[in-house]
Amino acid sequence: GQNIDQPTEMTATEGAIVQINCTYQTSGFNGLFWYQQHAGEAPTFLSYNVLDGLEEKGRFSSFLSRSKGYSYLLLKELQMKDSASYLCAVRDSNYQLIWGAGTKLIIKP
Amino acid sequence: IAGITQAPTSQILAAGRRMTLRCTQDMRHNAMYWYRQDLGLGLRLIHYSNTAGTTGKGEVPDGYSVSRANTDDFPLTLASAVPSQTSVYFCASSAGDPGSGANVLTFGAGSRLTVL
Repeated sequence: GQNIDQPTEMTATEGAIVQINCTYQTSGFNGLFWYQQHAGEAPTFLSYNVLDGLEEKGRFSSFLSRSKGYSYLLLKELQMKDSASYLCAVRDSNYQLIWGAGTKLIIKP
Repeated sequence: IAGITQAPTSQILAAGRRMTLRCTQDMRHNAMYWYRQDLGLGLRLIHYSNTAGTTGKGEVPDGYSVSRANTDDFPLTLASAVPSQTSVYFCASSAGDPGSGANVLTFGAGSRLTVL
């Protein structure tokens, strides 16, 4: 079967750096996405990786290793507004998105 | 404001009743999707439509139906609701084909449905 694994919950301190990991086992690979979802709201797109390496976008970066079936989302200079769930999703060989259950990130002052 | 509008925001429904969740987008996106989100699980695709006039089944289609009469509207119908359909339902759209590049999804605000 297809599977996306993420930690259920993480806690970090305002101003610090946090890394959220995502490992996947899917039928083929056609890209990996990260979305942010604040409580009670819709998911919003953060990043997309299709080739190995690091994609940087402001305070957020996303890394992909296709050979290891692994990605991480790196959040720098954490702010209270970064408290949210972070969803990892992989597009499989049929171009269907397989979603992880999400990582709830709690930011403490 | 460009985006996706879902209605109702929240609904409590008796088991066995019929319910239609509405979804309208004004971005002229070709593809539209319905997902359900349950605690502890990833988003699961119910039905999708790659273009007006076509629909397809996702991972969990049983008990649900959709139609795509035009580009903007993509309603989801529960013919006879059951308690296991209690969930938060998200409608989403994307500009390109599902296999094209980043094909970013834009989500509606969600419809919280409780079936008693």
